Amino acid sequence: EVQLVQSGPVVKKPGESLKISCQGSGYTFTNFWITWVRQMPGKGLEWMGRIDPSDSYSRYSPSIEGHVTISVDKSRSTAYLQWSSLKASDTAMYYCARRSSSDFAKAMDVWGQGTSVIVSS
Amino acid sequence: DIQMTQSPSSLSASVGDRVTITCRASEDIRNSLAWYQQKPGTAPKLLIYAASTLESGVPSRFSGSGSGTDYTLTITSLQPEDFASYYCQQYYTTLWTFGPGAKVEV
Repeated sequence: EVQLVQSGPVVKKPGESLKISCQGSGYTFTNFWITWVRQMPGKGLEWMGRIDPSDSYSRYSPSIEGHVTISVDKSRSTAYLQWSSLKASDTAMYYCARRSSSDFAKAMDVWGQGTSVIVSS
Repeated sequence: DIQMTQSPSSLSASVGDRVTITCRASEDIRNSLAWYQQKPGTAPKLLIYAASTLESGVPSRFSGSGSGTDYTLTITSLQPEDFASYYCQQYYTTLWTFGPGAKVEV
């Protein structure tokens, strides 16, 4: 079964660091980009960025760039979303999703279950 | 960045209704448009990609159409499990963007 499994919910304080994960299974991990999508409480979906696991090339939304880092460990079939200094406004549900790296007609067809991040003092 | 708008932002419907949601891009996205369904507390689910291609396993009552900047998601004969939020998303450019969503309510 093709799936993306994300790490569990976290509660952090402002200024703390955090790294959440997204592990793929049931498919060739390097054949699909991994994207990260943010959903703030009660709000819509926001594309944050994506990474190509084959070469670790990443792109970010301008609204996010510089505040988060997307990385990947091919050997573990795992992608990461990382913050060095969290803000209260980072409180959200974070989803990872995959998209074919070769068929550009395709969209994000498999999604993780989501990771809840709460940042509160 | 390409901006996406959707209308309506919410609508009331009944089981059996035909529902249409529109999505407009700020520039031509050459059919690189997907539709997702999201129910409360769950991850989004891909319904349609490339503007009109039905994802495997998605019921045929869902269809997509459009070109250029204007796209439409249609649900014929709305079912109880279709009450949800629907998002369009463009993936034509390097930086992808979602529409604000449309909530289909009873």
